[in-house]
Amino acid sequence: ETAVFQTPNYHVTQVGNEVSFNCKQTLGHDTMYWYKQDSKKLLKIMFSYNNKQLIVNETVPRRFSPQSSDKAHLNLRIKSVEPEDSAVYLCASSLGLGGAYEQYFGPGTRLTVL
Amino acid sequence: QQQVRQSSQSLTVWEGETAILNCSYENSAFDYFPWYQQFPGEGPALLIAIRSVSDKKEDGRFTIFFNKREKNLSLHIKDSQPGDSATYFCAASRGYNVLYFGSGTKLTVEP
Repeated sequence: ETAVFQTPNYHVTQVGNEVSFNCKQTLGHDTMYWYKQDSKKLLKIMFSYNNKQLIVNETVPRRFSPQSSDKAHLNLRIKSVEPEDSAVYLCASSLGLGGAYEQYFGPGTRLTVL
Repeated sequence: QQQVRQSSQSLTVWEGETAILNCSYENSAFDYFPWYQQFPGEGPALLIAIRSVSDKKEDGRFTIFFNKREKNLSLHIKDSQPGDSATYFCAASRGYNVLYFGSGTKLTVEP
């Protein structure tokens, strides 16, 4: 099956903890993204990776860091989570870099910070 | 400042009606406008897209009407079905740059 896979589906944690989310795509795409979807459903791009090079970082707090071992994997680490980090984190991939390429999304990881 | 705006958070129509979802944008340099559809528990998926050189794009029951001068566009869903109930995101980009999403319109189609 070719798709974008994310783990875990849900994660509940306390303020100050570190969390890590995994994303893998089997579509053979060159570019991967992390988006944050807030409680109002607004989707905001956090990072783009193209051939393991970070392309876009849209004023994301430093406690967030993307980690990639190869072009099929892009993980997201959050050091010392804060309440405003509660959201759904969506991973996506595309054949090339940028909005004009169709983006394929995973089902998301819902983070709740208590 | 939000680059892409969707005027309605939610919309309810009856089965068989045409649903009209509206979107406007700030940056006149945007030239590619996809609509993504998201069902609960899933990620968004591309539904239909239009480039700024066109004023209309049709794909089955889905049609985008685009007005470059007014910087707005709309998605029309003809003969709406309960299975069309989902959240629809309007998005925009300039070429191969970052894709900006609106905050979505939740469509409910009542049988």
